[in-house]
Amino acid sequence: GAVVSQHPSRVICKSGTSVKIECRSLDFQATTMFWYRQFPKKSLMLMATSNEGSKATYEQGVEKDKFLINHASLTLSTLTVTSAHPEDSSFYICSAGDLKRGGLETQYFGPGTRLLVL
Amino acid sequence: GIQVEQSPPDLILQEGANSTLRCNFSDSVNNLQWFHQNPWGQLINLFYIPSGTKQNGRLSATTVATERYSLLYISSSQTTDSGVYFCAVRFKAAGNKLTFGGGTRVLVKP
Repeated sequence: GAVVSQHPSRVICKSGTSVKIECRSLDFQATTMFWYRQFPKKSLMLMATSNEGSKATYEQGVEKDKFLINHASLTLSTLTVTSAHPEDSSFYICSAGDLKRGGLETQYFGPGTRLLVL
Repeated sequence: GIQVEQSPPDLILQEGANSTLRCNFSDSVNNLQWFHQNPWGQLINLFYIPSGTKQNGRLSATTVATERYSLLYISSSQTTDSGVYFCAVRFKAAGNKLTFGGGTRVLVKP
């Protein structure tokens, strides 16, 4: 149990286009999901907290208009990188807490999405 | 400020060796997790351990919350243990956010 999926796993796009990444909790409900960014050989940096039915909470320095987050249901959150540029290339990872297993006490992570902007 | 520091940053082991990874954190915590990130980037939960000691096969972890550190022990290491080990902490003062340490990159040689 407690499986989180992401789609796509890998995407290459041209500069200026928008890319949508989906994060799904497959066997549990998650009122809160988290989006992280990881640069090569670096740690994970929290970008934003995605709340079902309300606006996301962004970390300092993360552009809200650049990284649009929607959490439309208890099992789906999406991250849209708008007008992508090469510096947005990175590994994006989402996570969710299983409410039935103690809420956010243990976060489960998706497999990540590698974005390359040419 | 709120910090999570891991040591060592890199570790090279011969297969069969034992090792200890350390995680220091700067403030009181509600939660501490250890993860293994495999070569494909997937984070695998190893332990949820805000305090005490847990064991799972060749891995065990101990968190001493009062002294603000946690240790991950790898015994009889195998090549499949290679990857990056992260400690992540949910500080009491930071709500639901997990703060990650810098990681320990482990390479187990055959």
